[in-house]
Amino acid sequence: EAQVTQNPRYLITVTGKKLTVTCSQNMNHEYMSWYRQDPGLGLRQIYYSMNVEVTDKGDVPEGYKVSRKEKRNFPLILESPSPNQTSLYFCASTQGNTGELFFGEGSRLTVL
Amino acid sequence: KQEVTQIPAALSVPEGENLVLNCSFTDSAIYNLQWFRQDPGKGLTSLLLIQSSQREQTSGRLNASLDKSSGRSTLYIAASQPGDSATYLCAAQGDSNYQLIWGAGTKLIIKP
Repeated sequence: EAQVTQNPRYLITVTGKKLTVTCSQNMNHEYMSWYRQDPGLGLRQIYYSMNVEVTDKGDVPEGYKVSRKEKRNFPLILESPSPNQTSLYFCASTQGNTGELFFGEGSRLTVL
Repeated sequence: KQEVTQIPAALSVPEGENLVLNCSFTDSAIYNLQWFRQDPGKGLTSLLLIQSSQREQTSGRLNASLDKSSGRSTLYIAASQPGDSATYLCAAQGDSNYQLIWGAGTKLIIKP
């Protein structure tokens, strides 16, 4: 089954404690991206990756890092989380020829 | 810079009605226009994708149209059902990269 898998789905952490949200897709898509969704602000892109070892900033990259060492994985790293990073995070991969997006189930992160 | 607007922000209708959700965008240089559905606490599900060269796409009771010249897309839902209750988001994908610009969504409630 074609899918995008994110982990963890829910996480409560404290300010400054490094965390990683993993994202994996099994569709061999080249393009992957991370979004955060906040009430009243909609979906905003954090980072995207056009292919292995190719990443670029989206609209709200501050406080985040990503890596793309393999085509299937695109982890989101919060080196020193802060309360303003409390949000719902989505990973997505894109089918190259159509541009259709496939989303993970989301990861709800709370930073205390 | 592309801006995407969805009107109305919320809509409540009785079961069985046909309804139209609106999406407008400011820059007609798009690669595609996508409609998504999001259920509370869940991820996003792709509903319809209209390529820039297309005028409409249909899937079951859903029909999406695209008019690039006027910067508008509509999502038509026929014979609405309570199970259609969700938030519907549209996103315009730029033709120079895969970045999507999102609308804030329309929250739809179908009353039994």
